[in-house]
Amino acid sequence: GESVGLHLPTLSVQEGDNSIINCAYSNSASDYFIWYKQESGKGPQFIIDIRSNMDKRQGQRVTVLLNKTVKHLSLQIAATQPGDSAVYFCAESGYGNKLVFGAGTILRVKS
Amino acid sequence: DTAVSQTPKYLVTQMGNDKSIKCEQNLGHDTMYWYKQDSKKFLKIMFSYNNKELIINETVPNRFSPKSPDKAHLNLHINSLELGDSAVYFCASSSGGGSWNEQFFGPGTRLTVL
Repeated sequence: GESVGLHLPTLSVQEGDNSIINCAYSNSASDYFIWYKQESGKGPQFIIDIRSNMDKRQGQRVTVLLNKTVKHLSLQIAATQPGDSAVYFCAESGYGNKLVFGAGTILRVKS
Repeated sequence: DTAVSQTPKYLVTQMGNDKSIKCEQNLGHDTMYWYKQDSKKFLKIMFSYNNKELIINETVPNRFSPKSPDKAHLNLHINSLELGDSAVYFCASSSGGGSWNEQFFGPGTRLTVL
């Protein structure tokens, strides 16, 4: 598939298990963070966001955790499904009007 | 009822040629963006337009020229294409110019320069 040859971090999980994808961001002034999901051959799709005045936010089956002390962001996906297989990106806002994206993590769900 | 559309989806061309990629959004957004995604999946902003006015212009060669005829369209013209321009180019739009506004991405245009 498209991920062959890519040297992104890869997380392989069994269908039904929970997934945790991590991201370290660089700018301590960043005040808004987003997780995007990119399926093969498609554009990135918004999953969930969080502002810097929060440390946790929950959506449907997803939770984002923010630790500003160590500049760390994580995305938790509950009961991972095959349709969750994709590349996941964190993005931070703290550079004016632009988003800066992280390197991406491949999530593979085994049935 | 595609929200953000791009044409073409695939573009294969020779070095030195000039090509354009078109983007249209039907979301009524006033801000549009161009991103470049390289072979390692690294996604980086190139340009942003708000109400047809350029607001972000990253360090991009001046061979790349965005054009916004109206706020629903943002086209990308590339002159004198080079091998290193090969990438997937994504258009996106949002309802405001701030980076805290959710961005909606198009399906991408895979450009291959031979």
